[in-house]
Amino acid sequence: DAGVTQSPTHLIKTRGQQVTLRCSPKSGHDTVSWYQQALGQGPQFIFQYYEEEERQRGNFPDRFSGHQFPNYSSELNVNALLLGDSALYLCASSAGLGRNSYEQYFGPGTRLTVT
Amino acid sequence: RKEVEQDPGPFNVPEGATVAFNCTYSNSASQSFFWYRQDCRKEPKLLMSVYSSGNEDGRFTAQLNRASQYISLLIRDSKLSDSATYLCVVNTNAGKSTFGDGTTLTVKP
Repeated sequence: DAGVTQSPTHLIKTRGQQVTLRCSPKSGHDTVSWYQQALGQGPQFIFQYYEEEERQRGNFPDRFSGHQFPNYSSELNVNALLLGDSALYLCASSAGLGRNSYEQYFGPGTRLTVT
Repeated sequence: RKEVEQDPGPFNVPEGATVAFNCTYSNSASQSFFWYRQDCRKEPKLLMSVYSSGNEDGRFTAQLNRASQYISLLIRDSKLSDSATYLCVVNTNAGKSTFGDGTTLTVKP
């Protein structure tokens, strides 16, 4: 039973560039949430996708956008990268909406460094 | 003020000790509560859900006090392998998850 997978594991970009991160949810899960985790802090909620639509969004600018595909996999896109975007980006999957969707399983993350 | 606040760490305890972590949340519309564990440079992993009636899983006990908007995690008989950062998570019914910044526990021989 495959868990949540993310790619790439590490990425180095320069300011102003754009980046796309990818996530495949755990088998049987259809909801994907994205988080940004800076060093020494807890994960910050970016947004959640279900049925290919953004259902919830945290306090992140429009430079952060996403997409969910029919096979439930998801992408996170960040435009016009800033130094402050350097962080660990985590993808979490869960089943459906409602109470069951709160038990989230995380992927190993993509560590993004912006120089 | 952060929506979810946790005890500042780090907690350094000897093996066999009992340690308790606290977490407070500000959104009274919060519906679900969890504790996650995160090892250094790894992803968070679900430790346990937290219910109003309290729940216990082996050496771990979680409690929720909705009136005080307070969550706790108690670890009894600490093991070296319990060393990690413990994250408190609060969810609204709409599906938004808010994590605390975590409390770091180091269990020493």
